Amino acid sequence: ETGVTQTPRHLVMGMTNKKSLKCEQHLGHNAMYWYKQSAKKPLELMFVYNFKEQTENNSVPSRFSPECPNSSHLFLHLHTLQPEDSALYLCASSRGTGSPYEQYFGPGTRLTVT
Amino acid sequence: GENVEQHPSTLSVQEGDSAVIKCTYSDSASNYFPWYKQELGKRPQLIIDIRSNVGEKKDQRIAVTLNKTAKHFSLHITETQPEDSAVYFCAASGGSEKLVFGKGTKLTVNP
Repeated sequence: ETGVTQTPRHLVMGMTNKKSLKCEQHLGHNAMYWYKQSAKKPLELMFVYNFKEQTENNSVPSRFSPECPNSSHLFLHLHTLQPEDSALYLCASSRGTGSPYEQYFGPGTRLTVT
Repeated sequence: GENVEQHPSTLSVQEGDSAVIKCTYSDSASNYFPWYKQELGKRPQLIIDIRSNVGEKKDQRIAVTLNKTAKHFSLHITETQPEDSAVYFCAASGGSEKLVFGKGTKLTVNP
């Protein structure tokens, strides 16, 4: 098991529901990321947080709302999603020193929007 | 912004043969180029990376080469084994934490 965990591992939600995805890293990293993985765009960056500050929002619709209360935790709040939002949502972390280093991925949350 | 193209999208080889996956990038300021392997149902994991001050790096059966002038880099796997079957992603970074990934190559090694 790596140092990045995600819950839940599977989630089915209706378009009117509100749910949250949780990510936690135990690696002492300072940067955390949300990616969307689907068949059409295999690893699509959504958000980047560095030292709890959002440094990247890759034109993500407002129905996805990230939250980073500290360097170890990252949330993705979901509301009024569309069926095309069904995908694997991966969290990752890295050192976050301003230079690129290896990103460690979590196991992902498989989201299905009905 | 950075754009990474990866080819081929699928690759099938016989066990023991070599496999080569190629990527091109657009931003000449990019200086970090990792390769990730994602087995079916599992998370992506780094297998090798290279920085722009190095032209080649090897780790046992895996090697990566970088041509900064042409803005392309390649993954070479020698003596392939069935457990090498996976999806491989290249990525590039221009100095920040952000990585831009290619679309992936599904490698199948046939016994």
